[in-house]
Amino acid sequence: DTEVTQTPKHLVMGMTNKKSLKCEQHMGHRAMYWYKQKAKKPPELMFVYSYEKLSINESVPSRFSPECPNSSLLNLHLHALQPEDSALYLCASSQDPRAKTQYFGPGTRLLVL
Amino acid sequence: GQNIDQPTEMTATEGAIVQINCTYQTSGFNGLFWYQQHAGEAPTFLSYNVLDGLEEKGRFSSFLSRSKGYSYLLLKELQMKDSASYLCVLYNQGGKLIFGQGTELSVKP
Repeated sequence: DTEVTQTPKHLVMGMTNKKSLKCEQHMGHRAMYWYKQKAKKPPELMFVYSYEKLSINESVPSRFSPECPNSSLLNLHLHALQPEDSALYLCASSQDPRAKTQYFGPGTRLLVL
Repeated sequence: GQNIDQPTEMTATEGAIVQINCTYQTSGFNGLFWYQQHAGEAPTFLSYNVLDGLEEKGRFSSFLSRSKGYSYLLLKELQMKDSASYLCVLYNQGGKLIFGQGTELSVKP
């Protein structure tokens, strides 16, 4: 299995909703990442997990809450989002935090109304 | 800090060759990636250069000159499916990927 999967593919939520994005990989990778990508812009790093521990938080607002329940799973919990948070949310993984090549999932396209 | 420059858009003809240039400035260079991203899809890994020179992989080649802060991605025998955004990405000493703005390539028949 050489892929990163993400669910759901699309998500529409109101500003008062609570939802979660899920990411899974079974490549034995020990580093996982969340990126946010707006249309026609490059991905922006949000969080990095190394060996199931949060190692980098790029000053992301607290309405985004990451969680790494085990080495294969990465969640992003969403609460009280704003319309400007609408974007493609990409998950990626790499063999370990020092491994350079990251493998990306297909993303979740989020629309906040 | 880091700065990455690449053209915003390019157009080429099916069957032709196209070269996408990338110049960069960084205080801590640890390698350079090229990723391909089709609209609405995830970026996919194309190449990685850490030493000067040319890396060839099928129809795709990537070149790096560290002294000049310069890289290019060469695509040969262009196909319609090569229409995508091509991202020049630095790997810095902090272990992060720093993405360029991307070059939107349109391949015409």
